[in-house]
Amino acid sequence: EAGVAQSPRYKIIEKRQSVAFWCNPISGHATLYWYQQILGQGPKLLIQFQNNGVVDDSQLPKDRFSAERLKGVDSTLKIQPAKLEDSAVYLCASSYGTSGGSSTDTQYFGPGTRLTVL
Amino acid sequence: AQSVTQPDIHITVSEGASLELRCNYSYGATPYLFWYVQSPGQGLQLLLKYFSGDTLVQGIKGFEAEFKRSQSSFNLRKPSVHWSDAAEYFCAVSGGGNKLTFGTGTQLKVEL
Repeated sequence: EAGVAQSPRYKIIEKRQSVAFWCNPISGHATLYWYQQILGQGPKLLIQFQNNGVVDDSQLPKDRFSAERLKGVDSTLKIQPAKLEDSAVYLCASSYGTSGGSSTDTQYFGPGTRLTVL
Repeated sequence: AQSVTQPDIHITVSEGASLELRCNYSYGATPYLFWYVQSPGQGLQLLLKYFSGDTLVQGIKGFEAEFKRSQSSFNLRKPSVHWSDAAEYFCAVSGGGNKLTFGTGTQLKVEL
């Protein structure tokens, strides 16, 4: 079974530029998550999708971050414009859950995209 | 609000020695608890999880964890550490909607 795929693996940009990350979840997984992991910290949930709808985006900085999952499969996370503090690893995860995400669903993580903002 | 505390930022053990990584959680209801491991350049891999029932949970790679409600703890243990166990370990708690809250992680170094 293929795991969660993410691209690119690394990205270096200047502040105020825009950047986009792509995620393809495990086949059949209805729920998709984007996490931000700043160096020295644990991952923090940015947004959770159930199929193509948003379940939770309470910690997404909506003035600069956006995410979509138009067809309920793969997803894109965008930052525009980027700030220095956005330097982090962006992790995508997916789980099987079909009802907003059961608390017992195991989340499977991709390898992440390491973003450096100069 | 749910939260997780991992009091040890770094731990160093000798290969073959036993290991215990500490995790304390705060959650108002029955917690769902997880331990993940992250190797350099890799995503997070689930080691084990506790939902209910037996408070001693067995996981992959020889790891186990014990849920102690009275101490709000979910410590990870391994009787004999291998050099390949060197990585960062994250404890997490899940509340409604499968929203994971992670601790800050413990970096494990294994001395040969």
